[in-house]
Amino acid sequence: DTEVTQTPKHLVMGMTNKKSLKCEQHMGHRAMYWYKQKAKKPPELMFVYSYEKLSINESVPSRFSPECPNSSLLNLHLHALQPEDSALYLCASSLDGRNEQFFGPGTRLTVL
Amino acid sequence: SQQGEEDPQALSIQEGENATMNCSYKTSINNLQWYRQNSGRGLVHLILIRSNEREKHSGRLRVTLDTSKKSSSLLITASRAADTASYFCATAWDGYNKLIFGAGTRLAVHP
Repeated sequence: DTEVTQTPKHLVMGMTNKKSLKCEQHMGHRAMYWYKQKAKKPPELMFVYSYEKLSINESVPSRFSPECPNSSLLNLHLHALQPEDSALYLCASSLDGRNEQFFGPGTRLTVL
Repeated sequence: SQQGEEDPQALSIQEGENATMNCSYKTSINNLQWYRQNSGRGLVHLILIRSNEREKHSGRLRVTLDTSKKSSSLLITASRAADTASYFCATAWDGYNKLIFGAGTRLAVHP
């Protein structure tokens, strides 16, 4: 299995909702990432997990809460989001953080 | 803040022509990577070139790295309509785990 999967593909939520994005890989990668990408912009790093521990948090607002339950799964919990948080959220994984990253197809999030 | 800047921002060519995209960065890097993104989808890794390498090839792709000028280029030879996508360079530094993406080049290849 050489892919990163993300669910859901699309998500529409209100500003008071709580939702979660899920990411899964079975390549034995030990580094996993969340990125946010606005239209016609490059991906921006949000969080990095290395060996299931949070190693980088790029000053992301607390309404985004990452979780790494095990080496194959990465979640992003969303609460009280703002309309400007609408974007494509990409998950990626890397063997050990020193090599290329493999990206999932993304979750397109719309906050109303 | 963005580490890499790319030019051109957009490139339109005919099938069969070569496409060259350039990337410049500001600080020392461990490696530089190129990714492709089809509209609204995930990124696909193309090539990784380490700071001690100068050139790398993969099929129709050729990447060069000049650390003295802090720049890299991606050449796609004999382009095809299927190469239409956005291309991003990304620099790895700060302990390798952190990838910073350039603004990207939008390539359109016309049949």
